[in-house]
Amino acid sequence: GAGVSQTPSNKVTEKGKYVELRCDPISGHTALYWYRQSLGQGPEFLIYFQGTGAADDSGLPNDRFFAVRPEGSVSTLKIQRTERGDSAVYLCASSAGTGGQETQYFGPGTRLLVL
Amino acid sequence: AQRVTQPEKLLSVFKGAPVELKCNYSYSGSPELFWYVQYSRQRLQLLLRHISRESIKGFTADLNKGETSFHLKKPFAQEEDSAMYYCALETSGSRLTFGEGTQLTVNP
Repeated sequence: GAGVSQTPSNKVTEKGKYVELRCDPISGHTALYWYRQSLGQGPEFLIYFQGTGAADDSGLPNDRFFAVRPEGSVSTLKIQRTERGDSAVYLCASSAGTGGQETQYFGPGTRLLVL
Repeated sequence: AQRVTQPEKLLSVFKGAPVELKCNYSYSGSPELFWYVQYSRQRLQLLLRHISRESIKGFTADLNKGETSFHLKKPFAQEEDSAMYYCALETSGSRLTFGEGTQLTVNP
C-alpha cells in the first residue's frame, strides 16, 4: 500500500509569508508526528497527534507554528510570518499506535526554503 | 532532559571489515532505543529496535544500560550499507529524540 506522503516536496517562500505543509499518513494509522530536520542535524520532534487531538505539542518552537488534524487523518503544519531560520526539511511520520512496539513510518519530507 | 549522542559524523570502512556506529543516550526513564537508516534519495526508515533483539541486514545493537549505550554493529560491511544512520530514543508519548547521525561509507 501507499506510504506516508507529503506535499509539496519543495517550497520556496519569502520571509514573512505564511506556508502550509500537508501530510497524508498511512491509512488507518492513528498516530501522526511532525519533525523538523535542519542541515547536518537529526530530526527534531515538533508535535504528535493521537487521533484528532494534539497529544504533545511541546516541540513547537514558538506560536508561529501550528498544526491540525481535523478528521484524524490528513494533517497540516502551518507556519506564520516565516523566518529564514525556519528553512529545513519538515518530516511527517505515522504509526498504527504508540509505544515501543510501534514503528513510525516516515514520509519523504517537505524541503522549505525561506528567502 | 533526554539526549542522544552519536560522536562520529563520518565513518569510512572497507567492504568486508567490521563496523561499529556509536550511540550514547541520556534519559532518566526506561529507554526504548532504535536505529533508523536513510539510504541515498530514500526516506528515513526503521532498521532495528532494541526491544525486538533482532538482527536486520546483519546489523545488531545491544542496549547497555550501565554505559548508556546502544552501539550498532555489523561483522562484515557491504557496499550497500553506505547510508546515514540515526540513533533514536523514544520518550513520553512516543516522541523520538534523534542523534545527529553518522554517515557510513563502505569502500570497495
